[in-house]
Amino acid sequence: GAVVSQHPSRVICKSGTSVKIECRSLDFQATTMFWYRQFPKQSLMLMATSNEGSKATYEQGVEKDKFLINHASLTLSTLTVTSAHPEDSSFYICSASSGRENEQYFGPGTRLTVT
Amino acid sequence: QQQVKQSPQSLIVQKGGISIINCAYENTAFDYFPWYQQFPGKGPALLIAIRPDVSEKKEGRFTISFNKSAKQFSLHIMDSQPGDSATYFCAASGGGGGLTGGGNKLTFGTGTQLKVEL
Repeated sequence: GAVVSQHPSRVICKSGTSVKIECRSLDFQATTMFWYRQFPKQSLMLMATSNEGSKATYEQGVEKDKFLINHASLTLSTLTVTSAHPEDSSFYICSASSGRENEQYFGPGTRLTVT
Repeated sequence: QQQVKQSPQSLIVQKGGISIINCAYENTAFDYFPWYQQFPGKGPALLIAIRPDVSEKKEGRFTISFNKSAKQFSLHIMDSQPGDSATYFCAASGGGGGLTGGGNKLTFGTGTQLKVEL
């Protein structure tokens, strides 16, 4: 149980374009989903927290207009990187929580490369 | 207040040995302490977690020791195997709660790269 999927696993896009990453909880309902960014050999940096049906809460320093998060259902959250630039290249990871406990289950991550 | 300090940054252990990774926290409101294992290019996987009402939790070869008064917790990997070679992250959450999910927002340690040699 507690499986979280992400799609795509890898994406290469040109500078200035937008990219959407999907995060799905496959076998449980996720009242809360989290989006992280991870640079090589570094820890996970929380970008935002989203609850189903409400606006995401962004961490300090994260541009909400650049990283659009939608949590439309209890099993799906999307992160859209708008007007991507090479510095947005990173490993993006989502996690999901059912809310009953503090447990978070992570997706496999999406490697974004902006050329 | 929100930091979780993790050490060592890297660790080399011989096969069959014990790997020990330590974490310390400041926020006394934290009430959930998980450990995650991450392989290169993959997302973190929940390994084992503990709450402050117990001092130790064991699952297979993995044990968490928790010292509430010292605000420290550690991961012990017994009989370490080459397949355990990965990056391990400690984390902590709790104290917020509410509908925003802030209560289960995880604060991560900086990670430990474990290499188990033959």
